[in-house]
Amino acid sequence: GENVEQHPSTLSVQEGDSAVIKCTYSDSASNYFPWYKQELGKGPQLIIDIRSNVGEKKDQRIAVTLNKTAKHFSLHITETQPEDSAVYFCAARWTGGGADGLTFGKGTHLIIQP
Amino acid sequence: GAGVSQSPSNKVTEKGKDVELRCDPISGHTALYWYRQSLGQGLEFLIYFQGNSAPDKSGLPSDRFSAERTGGSVSTLTIQRTQQEDSAVYLCASSPQETGELFFGEGSRLTVL
Repeated sequence: GENVEQHPSTLSVQEGDSAVIKCTYSDSASNYFPWYKQELGKGPQLIIDIRSNVGEKKDQRIAVTLNKTAKHFSLHITETQPEDSAVYFCAARWTGGGADGLTFGKGTHLIIQP
Repeated sequence: GAGVSQSPSNKVTEKGKDVELRCDPISGHTALYWYRQSLGQGLEFLIYFQGNSAPDKSGLPSDRFSAERTGGSVSTLTIQRTQQEDSAVYLCASSPQETGELFFGEGSRLTVL
């Protein structure tokens, strides 16, 4: 099955600086890579995703890059703001056992220092 | 209320008791997932329902765990003879299609004493 590694587990940055979270995956057949943001007491919410036919995707201050050869993808947040503080999860889509699903990384706790 | 609804939001039970957790997905979503999130851990896949197909139960950690989805809508996750290691947040998500975005509920926090 798929295995997703995520680093770092905790990231603290000054407000206004950039934050980068990196993930690697094991299954070369994976073709969909979403990022979810989870605020305290809430369920995760999709913030951006990328498919394997695209190398980079941007949405305002958030961007995701994908390197299929190296099997890694990254989340970039620029001009960080206090409301960016949350836990971020990367995921990779797997296909197996007759079903499709998402395998998640263990999460990154992003702390924005004022 | 268009989101995924889960109940109860919090459940405290004694070791050995059975618990049922309920998920009401977004209307029209054909796929439904259960994940478990332990303290400081990622999202552990438990079970997946897609339409009328047989569910993928490959993530269930033991035979004490089971789930059903009635009428292609509401799902119930049942944990029998609960153990302390079952303490976690159980998250349900639904999706409009197999490879679509997952919409998560706010979870059911289970504490086994």
